[in-house]
Amino acid sequence: NAGVTQTPKFRILKIGQSMTLQCTQDMNHNYMYWYRQDPGMGLKLIYYSVGAGITDKGEVPNGYNVSRSTTEDFPLRLELAAPSQTSVYFCASSYSVRRQTGSQSYEQYFGPGTRLTVT
Amino acid sequence: AQTVTQSQPEMSVQEAETVTLSCTYDTSENNYYLFWYKQPPSRQMILVIRQEAYKQQNATENRFSVNFQKAAKSFSLKISDSQLGDTAMYFCAFIYNDMRFGAGTRLTVKP
Repeated sequence: NAGVTQTPKFRILKIGQSMTLQCTQDMNHNYMYWYRQDPGMGLKLIYYSVGAGITDKGEVPNGYNVSRSTTEDFPLRLELAAPSQTSVYFCASSYSVRRQTGSQSYEQYFGPGTRLTVT
Repeated sequence: AQTVTQSQPEMSVQEAETVTLSCTYDTSENNYYLFWYKQPPSRQMILVIRQEAYKQQNATENRFSVNFQKAAKSFSLKISDSQLGDTAMYFCAFIYNDMRFGAGTRLTVKP
């Protein structure tokens, strides 16, 4: 199993350009996530998905869009890139089960990250 | 909303000694999971240890163990016999529906 893969590893964008960060997992996990990590900081959740066709906003969704057409893929779209979006982006996946007390998630498996610079 | 606080931005320890990293969290939920992740310079996020909130017994993984105090909402990580390869950023994380991370503690193991 490859686990969680992300492409590209590095990218430099000009202000106002758009791009899509790709994320694929082969573990049949139902949950997938996108995080950003600014220098010296922890991870902040951008968007997450509980299954194909279902997405929801995290802490910092502005400036991003996602889609989840298959279980395996969860691309992150940046429209009109801004310098504030310079960061390292991590995709992650996990297996979650829904219990009577509410859904609970198991640990997340992370991709290697994409370093994005917007100038 | 769930929050996770790591009050020690940086710590250092001598090789072979023991160090404890602190983490507190805030939640109104009762059944959840807590994790410690390690992020070496390679940036890869590596799971160190997990704790299920409904289990009273503290989790251990070789040289890594936790002190989980549910009532106090505290989840510290103890690293015994520290090794140079333990040098990394350590993140405490809480998960219920989504995952919240602390800001991290940069640990340096000195030879």
